[in-house]
Amino acid sequence: DTGVSQDPRHKITKRGQNVTFRCDPISEHNRLYWYRQTLGQGPEFLTYFQNEAQLEKSRLLSDRFSAERPKGSFSTLEIQRTEQGDSAMYLCASSPPPGGVTDTQYFGPGTRLTVL
Amino acid sequence: DQQVKQNSPSLSVQEGRISILNCDYTNSMFDYFLWYKKYPAEGPTFLISISSIKDKNEDGRFTVFLNKSAKHLSLHIVPSQPGDSAVYFCAASAFVGSGGSNYKLTFGKGTLLTVNP
Repeated sequence: DTGVSQDPRHKITKRGQNVTFRCDPISEHNRLYWYRQTLGQGPEFLTYFQNEAQLEKSRLLSDRFSAERPKGSFSTLEIQRTEQGDSAMYLCASSPPPGGVTDTQYFGPGTRLTVL
Repeated sequence: DQQVKQNSPSLSVQEGRISILNCDYTNSMFDYFLWYKKYPAEGPTFLISISSIKDKNEDGRFTVFLNKSAKHLSLHIVPSQPGDSAVYFCAASAFVGSGGSNYKLTFGKGTLLTVNP
């Protein structure tokens, strides 16, 4: 299967701990997105990478959140000092070059975070 | 302020009949629209999309209609099958940012479709 993969699928942590999630996009896709979905809501945009450059960050991404894509391939999303309000499904998506409004984003299975 | 609205939280239809899911948007800058299907504990799966230069796009049992003047789109599923039971999300995008092409998606809250055998 050559779709978007995310690891881990589930993460349970205690409030105040740090967590890191990984996303591996479809191999030829140079654009990568992170979204967050809470119960009863649609996914909400967090941040976007084109190759290794982080080009946009949502105001939802507080200082406790950091995302990287060091070699333009996989990406990591780290949450420091987790809070109960961080409990959500974290979704990664990728889309191919060359760019243009008609490009479709393909999503991974998500990482379900529960903060106790 | 929700820019993409799916006003029906749920819809129930009989197998073989048509399912019509509706979506309204407020941002006139949106020019590309997508429908995703989502099962519990999985990520959204892309179904079908439409560019603002078209008013209809068809792919097998799925057809999306776009009415730009009304800022309204709909997804038709004909015939509906029990395996279609899932949450359907409408999403829209517009060019944002600088330094390259980037198109974040804005999603509605979803509609739970149940297709009864």
